[in-house]
Amino acid sequence: DGGITQSPKYLFRKEGQNVTLSCEQNLNHDAMYWYRQDPGQGLRLIYYSQIVNDFQKGDIAEGYSVSREKKESFPLTVTSAQKNPTAFYLCASKSSRNTGELFFGEGSRLTVL
Amino acid sequence: SQQGEEDPQALSIQEGENATMNCSYKTSINNLQWYRQNSGRGLVHLILIRSNEREKHSGRLRVTLDTSKKSSSLLITASRAADTASYFCATENGGSQGNLIFGKGTKLSVKP
Repeated sequence: DGGITQSPKYLFRKEGQNVTLSCEQNLNHDAMYWYRQDPGQGLRLIYYSQIVNDFQKGDIAEGYSVSREKKESFPLTVTSAQKNPTAFYLCASKSSRNTGELFFGEGSRLTVL
Repeated sequence: SQQGEEDPQALSIQEGENATMNCSYKTSINNLQWYRQNSGRGLVHLILIRSNEREKHSGRLRVTLDTSKKSSSLLITASRAADTASYFCATENGGSQGNLIFGKGTKLSVKP
């Protein structure tokens, strides 16, 4: 079945550690996105990539990094510079650059201890 | 940057009743989309309405768009307990490179 797979589902991290969240899609979509969701809040855009080997910062990119070496993969690294990393992280993809619906993964919940 | 704002923040109804959620936005849009999120899960796309459309239907869902008031509504008819979820509107603006801006959502609870 085509879709987006995020892993891990739950992740615990100590302060000062970097962690990488995986996002893989087999939908042959060009564009991929990372969002952060805090309780009772909407989604805020962290980074997005519209084509392989290219990505742009979203509204809250500070403390995060990404790579897009393959069309299918868009991993997100939460670095120690992110001051409040505990959140629910959602990866999404889209089939065309300018219009259309987003397809989401099931999310990764990161908790900093 | 927050574009859409849903109203109400929370809604509790009985099974069989209709549920109406509203979304207001600030700038001109190419389209407006509604998504559903079950607790702890990813979002699922429900419906997309373009800026030149005024109403759209999909099953028990009815979406309206009023670009003069910069607002949209989502109506779920004959609600079921399985409709319990959070509902988000998202807008795509002309200058946003196709990126969507999400509101904070309406949390719908349908009691059996």
